[in-house]
Amino acid sequence: GENVEQHPSTLSVQEGDSAVIKCTYSDSASNYFPWYKQELGKGPQLIIDIRSNVGEKKDQRIAVTLNKTAKHFSLHITETQPEDSAVYFCAAYVLMEYGNKLVFGAGTILRVKS
Amino acid sequence: DSGVTQTPKHLITATGQRVTLRCSPRSGDLSVYWYQQSLDQGLQFLIQYYNGEERAKGNILERFSAQQFPDLHSELNLSSLELGDSALYFCASSVVFEDGELFFGEGSRLTVL
Repeated sequence: GENVEQHPSTLSVQEGDSAVIKCTYSDSASNYFPWYKQELGKGPQLIIDIRSNVGEKKDQRIAVTLNKTAKHFSLHITETQPEDSAVYFCAAYVLMEYGNKLVFGAGTILRVKS
Repeated sequence: DSGVTQTPKHLITATGQRVTLRCSPRSGDLSVYWYQQSLDQGLQFLIQYYNGEERAKGNILERFSAQQFPDLHSELNLSSLELGDSALYFCASSVVFEDGELFFGEGSRLTVL
């Protein structure tokens, strides 16, 4: 079935450093890859997404890259700040017979130390 | 605030009981999704509804059922509860049926004792 693997499971960085989270997906038909940030006690919130016709997308300190051939996509956060500390989830869009779903990775706990 | 409202926020109940979780999607969103989040399983897709019709099912247990009403709110019914059903249950909504952003509510935390 569809699967999304995410690494690392935890990541600690010093404030100002960069953080990279990597995901791989199994369904070659997937064409939409969002990243969600979940803060304590809250629901996941979209921070950036990328579609399969684009290799890279950037939004201020956040960037996402996609390698469709290798079925890899990554989240890059530069100049990390304490408020970036949260759980980050990658996901892949999967089209089903009559519907659709997002398949999520297991999550990465990011800690930014000040 | 995502605009998706879930009630109740917290629920404590006993094994064997039945509970109903409620979700009001963002205004205008026709598609509703239910996800289960437990510590060791991450975010697991349960079921999708679109404009009142069931469209996709994940690994949803037979003890669980859902529906979407004409006013587009949705309910997830969990019965014969077991300890392992303790989890956060999220509802998400989407304005489109195709690939696009899901807006998540803040979840309902279910504890089964």
